Amino acid sequence: NAGVTQTPKFQVLKTGQSMTLQCAQDMNHEYMSWYRQDPGMGLRLIHYSVGAGITDQGEVPNGYNVSRSTTEDFPLRLLSAAPSQTSVYFCASSDTFGDTQYFGPGTRLTVL
Amino acid sequence: EDQVTQSPEALRLQEGESSSLNCSYTVSGLRGLFWYRQDPGKGPEFLFTLYSAGEEKEKERLKATLTKKESFLHITAPKPEDSATYLCAVQGDDYKLSFGAGTTVTVRA
Repeated sequence: NAGVTQTPKFQVLKTGQSMTLQCAQDMNHEYMSWYRQDPGMGLRLIHYSVGAGITDQGEVPNGYNVSRSTTEDFPLRLLSAAPSQTSVYFCASSDTFGDTQYFGPGTRLTVL
Repeated sequence: EDQVTQSPEALRLQEGESSSLNCSYTVSGLRGLFWYRQDPGKGPEFLFTLYSAGEEKEKERLKATLTKKESFLHITAPKPEDSATYLCAVQGDDYKLSFGAGTTVTVRA
């Protein structure tokens, strides 16, 4: 049981490039979410999903896309990277919406 | 809008020196208050969930308490391995989590 896994661990992009951050969980959790963590600020919700085929926006969704085609996977896509998207990104999952969330190890993204 | 404020931002303790971290919050319809521990370069690790004022939970040297406006995380006789950033989050009527910025605890041997 690996829990929540994220790849890559580190990534450097140039402004305007696109990429996908991967997140997978093997706990059969219905709820999955993406957060970003910036210095001096709390974790902020980007997008979330309450089940396969269902996604919704969080607090800071601009510049990011998500999809949920399977229960296990919840990728986060950056369409055209900007320096303001330099951050540490965490994926989390829980059994259902509102249950305790369990976090992955994070992806540290730098946009030059 | 739900808000969470944690204090102090940083706390330096001597091994064995007990102390408390504060998490004050405003939320529409508290469904739960969560404490997480985060080590450098890692994801948050779940510690406790508190659901109603007066509730307390303990785990080793950590004890979390909850009132209607704030929560405290008490660290009793800390050891260097308790050094971490402790995050507080509240869950309101919309079931989403709102996080504080965290308190970074450093315990010196």
